[in-house]
Parts: sequence; C-alpha cells; structure tokens
Amino acid sequence: LAKTTQPISMDSYEGQEVNITCSHNNIATNDYITWYQQFPSQGPRFIIQGYKTKVTNEVASLFIPADRKSSTLSLPRVSLSDTAVYYCLVGDRADSNYQLIWGAGTKLIIKP
Amino acid sequence: DSGVTQTPKHLITATGQRVTLRCSPRSGDLSVYWYQQSLDQGLQFLIQYYNGEERAKGNILERFSAQQFPDLHSELNLSSLELGDSALYFCASSPRRGTGELFFGEGSRLTVL
Repeated sequence: LAKTTQPISMDSYEGQEVNITCSHNNIATNDYITWYQQFPSQGPRFIIQGYKTKVTNEVASLFIPADRKSSTLSLPRVSLSDTAVYYCLVGDRADSNYQLIWGAGTKLIIKP
Repeated sequence: DSGVTQTPKHLITATGQRVTLRCSPRSGDLSVYWYQQSLDQGLQFLIQYYNGEERAKGNILERFSAQQFPDLHSELNLSSLELGDSALYFCASSPRRGTGELFFGEGSRLTVL
C-alpha cells in the first residue's frame, strides 16, 4: 500500500515562498498527485494536481520529480490567509482496488 | 461553494443514540466519499460509493453504515453513538473514478454528550 509522509508543521513569513514536500512511495504509476488546503471547520479545498514535472496555476506550483516518489507544493509570496493545513493525496492500486491515500497534513502558520 | 451539500451542519445528541447524515453530491458526480475528522486530526476515510454501489471501505465501524440512493445522494448512519464519535463528518464527490479530484462539503459537526 502506498504511504505518504509530510512535515507536521511549518512556519513562514508574509511575502516568502513556501515549499511543502510530501514523500509517497508505491503510488499508482498512472495516477495523479493532488494537494488540498483546509481551514478550521471547513472542508478541504482542491489546490493543484499533477502527474509529472511541473504544474502551475493561479495559486500554486507543483513539482514532481521523474521517479514520482515525492512532490513539492510551492506557494509563492504567502500571506496571513494562507495559514491552513495542507494535505497531499495520492492513489494506490494495490490488489486491483483503487484507494486514495491522504497525507497526515502539514499545518502551515504564516507570521506577519 | 463546492456544490456538495451536507445536512445537518450541526448535531448534538446523547450516547447510545442514532443519527443520519445526508449528502447531496455535485450535479453529475457519481462518486461519493465519507470521511471522519476528529479535533485537530487528519481525514479518516470511511467509505466510498460509485453510482449506488459500494466501491471501497476504510476504517468504518460496524456501528456505522452508509448507502447511495438512485438519485446519487448518500446517507451515513451512525448508531449506538459513543463520546469518541464526536467529530466532523465530511462528504466529498468526484466527477471521475480513479482520480484525486474531490469536492468536499462543509461537513456535519456531530457532538455526542
């Protein structure tokens, strides 16, 4: 079964770039890697999804190396409102059953 | 607004009771997932349905059950409630099978006293 590992917490300051890395071995070879953001008492919200190399949208970039054993979510020029928990999500196809494997989440605190 | 609707938003009940949580997925989404999130914890996968059929089961207790109806809405039934069942229960829907693109509702907060 695929396993994900991400830092429990991170601190940064407004205006900085923040990179959060998730390690994920044994993920499905043809599956996407997805990142979510969650504020307290709200449902997780999709941020970005990628398969390989680099993906960029209006809020973040996602870097995935060729071996796909990790992925890095990059948040440019963070603000206080980016304080949240960030989860990586990968797919696993062990035993012919598809399962979604969530990371434990990284609590990101942005300071003024 | 994700398009996923969960009711009720808040529920307070006593130990030993039974409750039903309801989820309406986004229009056209066939997959529905249920997750439990205890205070300051991560997401615990409970169960997934696809077009009315159970597709995957996580750490769902025998006291809990779920179903997805022909109109694609889903219900999660929690019975013989215990204090430890107090949590946020999220429903998510997905437009495609085998994808990590999920749309979450705002959750149902269950408090068991």
